[in-house]
Amino acid sequence: GQQVMQIPQYQHVQEGEDFTTYCNSSTTLSNIQWYKQRPGGHPVFLIQLVKSGEVKKQKRLTFQFGEAKKNSSLHITATQTTDVGTYFCAVNQGGKLIFGQGTELSVKP
Amino acid sequence: GAGVSQSPSNKVTEKGKDVELRCDPISGHTALYWYRQSLGQGLEFLIYFQGNSAPDKSGLPSDRFSAERTGGSVSTLTIQRTQQEDSAVYLCASSLRLFTGELFFGEGSRLTVL
Repeated sequence: GQQVMQIPQYQHVQEGEDFTTYCNSSTTLSNIQWYKQRPGGHPVFLIQLVKSGEVKKQKRLTFQFGEAKKNSSLHITATQTTDVGTYFCAVNQGGKLIFGQGTELSVKP
Repeated sequence: GAGVSQSPSNKVTEKGKDVELRCDPISGHTALYWYRQSLGQGLEFLIYFQGNSAPDKSGLPSDRFSAERTGGSVSTLTIQRTQQEDSAVYLCASSLRLFTGELFFGEGSRLTVL
């Protein structure tokens, strides 16, 4: 079935470095959502992107939706230890809300 | 309620026993979703409800799994004859409308099958 691929699976950074995770789909998406799951916690909604080429910012987080609406990225500038967790994208595929495999971010102080 | 409530938070059971997991969504949310998350893994979509209806049950891993939602509110996920591979965190989420906007997740029910 249709899948959404998320890369990388893991990312280890030094505090202050930047971080990016990517989601890619083989088909055009109606929208894409991003969630963050802290260790031991549950996923928490970050944002939803709907428009082609859309860019949204939340403080140090920048979210992009590709022009073809087949890919999206989440970029964190100058990571902090509070950014630790797993970041998931989620897309509506065939009547199911499917999550990517997630990118686990660890930040070394 | 203020958020999505799930119970029990932890359940340890013996292989072959049946378990029921409960989800109480945010009041007024018409859509409800169940996911399964194995240790260190992503979220596996199980089933969604729009009102009391579950149009697509194909995400359920086997016929030992069933789910219902009554009164457009509380949902129960039942696993019959549990197996060790059923061990996981079962997450419930609700949203105001189906596939629209933010999903609010509960804390999850951690199931361990011995």
